[in-house]
Amino acid sequence: DAGVTQSPTHLIKTRGQHVTLRCSPISGHKSVSWYQQVLGQGPQFIFQYYEKEERGRGNFPDRFSARQFPNYSSELNVNALLLGDSALYLCASSLERVRRADYGYTFGSGTRLTVV
Amino acid sequence: QKEVEQDPGPLSVPEGAIVSLNCTYSNSAFQYFMWYRQYSRKGPELLMYTYSSGNKEDGRFTAQVDKSSKYISLFIRDSQPSDSATYLCAMSAGTDKLIFGTGTRLQVFP
Repeated sequence: DAGVTQSPTHLIKTRGQHVTLRCSPISGHKSVSWYQQVLGQGPQFIFQYYEKEERGRGNFPDRFSARQFPNYSSELNVNALLLGDSALYLCASSLERVRRADYGYTFGSGTRLTVV
Repeated sequence: QKEVEQDPGPLSVPEGAIVSLNCTYSNSAFQYFMWYRQYSRKGPELLMYTYSSGNKEDGRFTAQVDKSSKYISLFIRDSQPSDSATYLCAMSAGTDKLIFGTGTRLQVFP
């Protein structure tokens, strides 16, 4: 079975540009979350989508947006890129919203974004 | 003050040693506690999950949660060079958001 698939694996962008990152969850998983991991830090929560609706948002500016498609894949969009947006962007999928004593998050390998 | 504090290390131990990794937290609403292992250039992989207080053992790994002290631990017995990675603690209050520590880099040398 394929795990969580993220594309592209690496990306270099210039300040001020726009970027779109993509995530395909594990087959059957309906929930997708996005995290940003700056070098030397733990992942920080950006968004969570369940059944194509936004269910949670972290402390990130409006330059960050996301959406989930009918096939449960997801896109993360970042506008007006800043040098500080350079990070590993992780996608995690789970069967459903995690509201029970069984955390089934599976993370992808991430997209490494470098802003120059 | 961060919600979750974790010593970034690096922690360097000889093969076969017992490793102790720890996190403290400030939010008493946290009920779900996890340990993830992250190899270089990979995503985090769930190692251990514990709900509320108590101990949980899985092979060479033992997770402990002490909610009264707001302190969680991961013990690795008979450490192997393949255990060399960054270990992240993560917590949740039951929402869908995980709060991670900064990660502790562990190096096990032969």
